Amino acid sequence: TQLLEQSPQFLSIQEGENLTVYCNSSSVFSSLQWYRQEPGEGPVLLVTVVTGGEVKKLKRLTFQFGDARKDSSLHITAAQTGDTGLYLCAGNTPLVFGKGTRLSVIA
Amino acid sequence: GAVVSQHPSRVICKSGTSVKIECRSLDFQATTMFWYRQFPKKSLMLMATSNEGSKATYEQGVEKDKFLINHASLTLSTLTVTSAHPEDSSFYICSARGGSNDEQYFGPGTRLTVT
Repeated sequence: TQLLEQSPQFLSIQEGENLTVYCNSSSVFSSLQWYRQEPGEGPVLLVTVVTGGEVKKLKRLTFQFGDARKDSSLHITAAQTGDTGLYLCAGNTPLVFGKGTRLSVIA
Repeated sequence: GAVVSQHPSRVICKSGTSVKIECRSLDFQATTMFWYRQFPKKSLMLMATSNEGSKATYEQGVEKDKFLINHASLTLSTLTVTSAHPEDSSFYICSARGGSNDEQYFGPGTRLTVT
């Protein structure tokens, strides 16, 4: 099983700050996906990255896939309280998930 | 995007009883469905993979006689937790793969509480 390590596990920041969360593996992935999950709900797909070195933007969120396709990062600019949630990276078929980063944005 | 539903969203049952959770792909045919379990403040853990019309493949450590999975049609899979115990209390999430992009779509989850 290819393992995905996420860091940090917990992150608490003030509204307006920037942050980056990481997803790392020793294995190569054909693609990686990022999800956001709110309490009591299923995960919602944010983005899929496929090509090494790829950068995708989703409003204030920037996703990057490492050149070697072993790691990925999610950068949030000017965080808002609505960004609070559990951020999960996942890869493989069927999808296996990292342990997640629990983000709390405080007003 | 593709929609996956789960029913019920919440269920409370007594220890020793069985509970069935349904997962439906509403607007696409899902050749493969997956069941995940999520403990509080933890990530999703894959329990099993099921293909329509065949037996489910269970992940290591998941008891197949405890968690019965049926995938009788291309739009419906069920998970039955048999002889439930308090330690089975968890958030169960199903996922279905299909649609035009052949991606994996997630249901909203079912919160099971065993008393």
